[in-house]
Amino acid sequence: DAGVIQSPRHEVTEMGQEVTLRCKPISGHNSLFWYRQTMMRGLELLIYFNNNVPIDDSGMPEDRFSAKMPNASFSTLKIQPSEPRDSAVYFCASTPTPLGSEQFFGPGTRLTVL
Amino acid sequence: AQTVTQSQPEMSVQEAETVTLSCTYDTSESDYYLFWYKQPPSRQMILVIRQEAYKQQNATENRFSVNFQKAAKSFSLKISDSQLGDAAMYFCAYYSGNTGKLIFGQGTTLQVKP
Repeated sequence: DAGVIQSPRHEVTEMGQEVTLRCKPISGHNSLFWYRQTMMRGLELLIYFNNNVPIDDSGMPEDRFSAKMPNASFSTLKIQPSEPRDSAVYFCASTPTPLGSEQFFGPGTRLTVL
Repeated sequence: AQTVTQSQPEMSVQEAETVTLSCTYDTSESDYYLFWYKQPPSRQMILVIRQEAYKQQNATENRFSVNFQKAAKSFSLKISDSQLGDAAMYFCAYYSGNTGKLIFGQGTTLQVKP
């Protein structure tokens, strides 16, 4: 099993540009989570999906952030327009049961907004 | 709301010695799990150990063990026979069986001295 796959691994963009982060969960996993990690705020849950349906997006910081899961094997997190304060490492994680407890993390995407 | 507190931003241990990382949490739920994750410089999040709240027996995984004190809401991680490869940031995490969310502490950076 390849594990959770995220792309790109690194992204550098300029303020105002649209950024799209991608995630492929482990095959067979029902739930998918997006996290953001910064020095100041640590690891924060942004949104999570169960069976492709968004369950809780209360962690999404503002309307500039949106996430989709069009099918069981793919999810995107989009930031439009991006701002320097969005610079962080974004993790995707998946879990095999609807409210499964053990989450498997991807390698993360390091986003830098100049 | 649930909170997780790691009061030790940094810890160091001599190779082959034992070290204990502290974690406390606050919750009114009865259905939850607790985890320790390791994040080495590669930034990959790696599950170290998990504990179901309903189990009284402390979880162990090779050199890693926990001291779970449910009444005190304490969940410390003990690393025995520390190795250079144990150097990383360690995160304590609380999983809510009600919301499906994983809440992380701020992390403890562990240095292992040769």
